[in-house]
Amino acid sequence: GENVEQHPSTLSVQEGDSAVIKCTYSDSASNYFPWYKQELGKRPQLIIDIRSNVGEKKDQRIAVTLNKTAKHFSLHITETQPEDSAVYFCAASKGGGADGLTFGKGTHLIIQP
Amino acid sequence: NAGVTQTPKFRVLKTGQSMTLLCAQDMNHEYMYWYRQDPGMGLRLIHYSVGEGTTAKGEVPDGYNVSRLKKQNFLLGLESAAPSQTSVYFCASSYNRGDTEAFFGQGTRLTVV
Repeated sequence: GENVEQHPSTLSVQEGDSAVIKCTYSDSASNYFPWYKQELGKRPQLIIDIRSNVGEKKDQRIAVTLNKTAKHFSLHITETQPEDSAVYFCAASKGGGADGLTFGKGTHLIIQP
Repeated sequence: NAGVTQTPKFRVLKTGQSMTLLCAQDMNHEYMYWYRQDPGMGLRLIHYSVGEGTTAKGEVPDGYNVSRLKKQNFLLGLESAAPSQTSVYFCASSYNRGDTEAFFGQGTRLTVV
């Protein structure tokens, strides 16, 4: 089955700086790559996703890049703010199949004031 | 429109007891999923359903059973709870294929003593 590796497990950045979280996947058939944000005690919520026919996608301060050849994708957050502090999960799915999302183990992003 | 709702939110069980977690969604989604979240492990898929009357095993199905008698409900059962099942359980649903946004419930924190 699919295996998703996520790094780093903890990331501390100064407010206003950029943060980058990286994930690799093992199954070349995966074609959907969402990122979820989970605040303490809350449910995971989708912040951005990308499909395998696209190399990059942006939404304001958040961007995701995908390298299908290397089987890795990354989340980029620019101009970080205190409300960006949370745990971020990457995931991968084969889409046409119905076997759900395979998640990475998460990155705890800490924004230092 | 409540989205995905889980009951109960918290529960403490004794080893060997049984219980059922209920997930209800009002978005007319076909796909529903049960995940468990443990510290440092991300979210792991327990069971899923691609439509009313269907269920399938995910990554960590042992010790759990599920049923999807109605499209809007997905039940997760523990027949004989074990301390290893102490976790936070999340239900999720998605509209159609596995490559569309998954909407999560608020979670159930289960402790088995």
